[in-house]
Amino acid sequence: DTGVSQNPRHKITKRGQNVTFRCDPISEHNRLYWYRQTLGQGPEFLTYFQNEAQLEKSRLLSDRFSAERPKGSFSTLEIQRTEQGDSAMYLCASSLVSGTTGNTIYFGEGSWLTVV
Amino acid sequence: AQTVTQSQPEMSVQEAETVTLSCTYDTSESDYYLFWYKQPPSRQMILVIRQEAYKQQNATENRFSVNFQKAAKSFSLKISDSQLGDAAMYFCAYRRSTGTASKLTFGTGTRLQVTL
Repeated sequence: DTGVSQNPRHKITKRGQNVTFRCDPISEHNRLYWYRQTLGQGPEFLTYFQNEAQLEKSRLLSDRFSAERPKGSFSTLEIQRTEQGDSAMYLCASSLVSGTTGNTIYFGEGSWLTVV
Repeated sequence: AQTVTQSQPEMSVQEAETVTLSCTYDTSESDYYLFWYKQPPSRQMILVIRQEAYKQQNATENRFSVNFQKAAKSFSLKISDSQLGDAAMYFCAYRRSTGTASKLTFGTGTRLQVTL
């Protein structure tokens, strides 16, 4: 079990550019989540998938944000036309629907985005 | 909507002493899960302890234990024999147990300092 993997870990981009983050969940985990965390705050839910289906999206997820999980394994989070307000850490997490760990969500180390 | 409140932005404890971090939440659900997560300076969120709302017995994991008061909607974390490695941000989180609302809702966190 290698844990939840995210890359890139850090990204600096100019305002208006597009960025994409990738998340590889723990093997066999069928649920995958994206959260956003700004300094001094707790993580805020963005969206989650069960297998390849996107089941819930937060109102925080504007039209410039899109997340995919095409084969039910890894996921990407794309931010188009980045704004300075998008600067944050983007956390990915995964969990297994059933089993003894069914209600435990495991987090990756996050991807830091700085928009300049 | 569910909310989680952590009223202590910062706490300090001496090594080997005991500290209690507070958390309250608001929900209309009767069945749910509560969690404490630790986020060290390296930023990866680590699960510390979890509590199922239907269980009256307070969860314990080694030096970490909770005081779960369902009627009062209170869920505090006690850290005994504090160690330098316990220094981190601690987040209280809530999660419904049923339906598609599988996300975690976090509080704003408590920064714990451990002094010699």
